[in-house]
Amino acid sequence: DIQMTQSPSSLSASVGDSVTITCQASQDISNYLNWYQQKPGKAPSLLIYDTSNLEGGVPPRFSGSGSGTSFTLTVTSLQVEDVATYYCQQYDDLPHTFGQGTKLEIK
Amino acid sequence: VQLVQSGAEVKKPGESLRISCKTSGYSFTSYWIGWVRQMPGKGLEWMGIIYPRDSDARFSPSFRGHVSISVDKSISTAYLQWSSLKASDTAMYYCAISRRLARYDAFNFWGQGTMVSVSS
Repeated sequence: DIQMTQSPSSLSASVGDSVTITCQASQDISNYLNWYQQKPGKAPSLLIYDTSNLEGGVPPRFSGSGSGTSFTLTVTSLQVEDVATYYCQQYDDLPHTFGQGTKLEIK
Repeated sequence: VQLVQSGAEVKKPGESLRISCKTSGYSFTSYWIGWVRQMPGKGLEWMGIIYPRDSDARFSPSFRGHVSISVDKSISTAYLQWSSLKASDTAMYYCAISRRLARYDAFNFWGQGTMVSVSS
């Protein structure tokens, strides 16, 4: 299986800040990388697909970049509603493994 | 698009179980449907995926042989099934559909989840 490693595991930031979450793949996955947001008590929702494409309805303060083995999710102008756990997922090879998650909190 | 999952289940070890994911609002046979496990307080685990048109199913090695996935095209419903539950199967289970036609990639629509509790 391809291993996906996210960092940090958790972070705390203030409203209006920018935050970056990184995701490292154990092998080259090209741009086959998705990001999901899971708010407390809710099902996950797709934020970004194919590394950098925003899913419909996702605010443009979310952005993704990277290729190969290293990827980032950036949230600018952090809002209270962004409190959630964020997961990366590779779909280069089965099984489509997820990272362990990054919990984002507001200070 | 809607994915409505069956309700919470409480079972004993060794019992069998089938949970469902009823879909609507799109072409059921044209998009892969997957299942994702989330154990209490833990992250997401990709379990497997099925193509409803021909029931071609793929599994994570971690789940192959312990669960089965099936569909009923007549009612646009997917199923996740266990023949012998273990306490370690206690988790929330989500169904989700793939974003692209006839391809398994990102999951862009999700069910609300089904909580399965297994305890003696």
